[in-house]
Amino acid sequence: QVQLVQSGAEMKKPGSSVRLSCRASGGSFSSDAICWVRRAPGKGLEWMGRIVPILGTANYAQSFQGRVTITADQSTSTTYMQMTNLRSEDTAVYYCARDVSSVLGFDIWGQGTTVTVSS
Amino acid sequence: DVQMTQFPSSLSASVGDRVTITCRASESVSRWVSWYQQKPGEAPKLLISKASMVASGVPSRFSGSGSGTHYTLTISSLQPDDFAAYYCLLYVSHSRTFGQGTLVELK
Repeated sequence: QVQLVQSGAEMKKPGSSVRLSCRASGGSFSSDAICWVRRAPGKGLEWMGRIVPILGTANYAQSFQGRVTITADQSTSTTYMQMTNLRSEDTAVYYCARDVSSVLGFDIWGQGTTVTVSS
Repeated sequence: DVQMTQFPSSLSASVGDRVTITCRASESVSRWVSWYQQKPGEAPKLLISKASMVASGVPSRFSGSGSGTHYTLTISSLQPDDFAAYYCLLYVSHSRTFGQGTLVELK
């Protein structure tokens, strides 16, 4: 059974960048996508973007276009999400999840990574 | 862009109550809707996909329905483990949009 294992918590200064990872453990990437979702304190879930690792093609939510880059390394079954120009509003828990096209749902989730942006 | 409106934003209910949460799309979305439960400190969990397909391991008290622009998640008899936040998710081409969320609290 595939599990998604995310990298550890990060503390960043405003204006800096962060790179989070999400490794598929117990299996490898299939033809499904991996997406990134965040939840800021007091707010709801927000979809950020997705990548199909075997194709290397990524799509982004409009609000993150130009500031977020999602990449994948098939050799290590790892997906990365890089966000630049961090601001305090980016403080959130970031999740990766498997986006299964055949069921139109996110069936496996990582444990989440807390990113805190503070001066 | 297709917009998704979820309501209510919160509700108070008792154990045993029937609970219904609604998501309304700004245009017809052909049942491309899934539902998630999230508890504090945990990752979200898939409950329903393709509007009405119950995910593996999800109790039978959870059901989904809808078509066109109107979709609902129903909990037939609320249990203590069900007090959580619930979200709908819309698939449109390569984009995804979450509803605003519904917090189900104990009355």
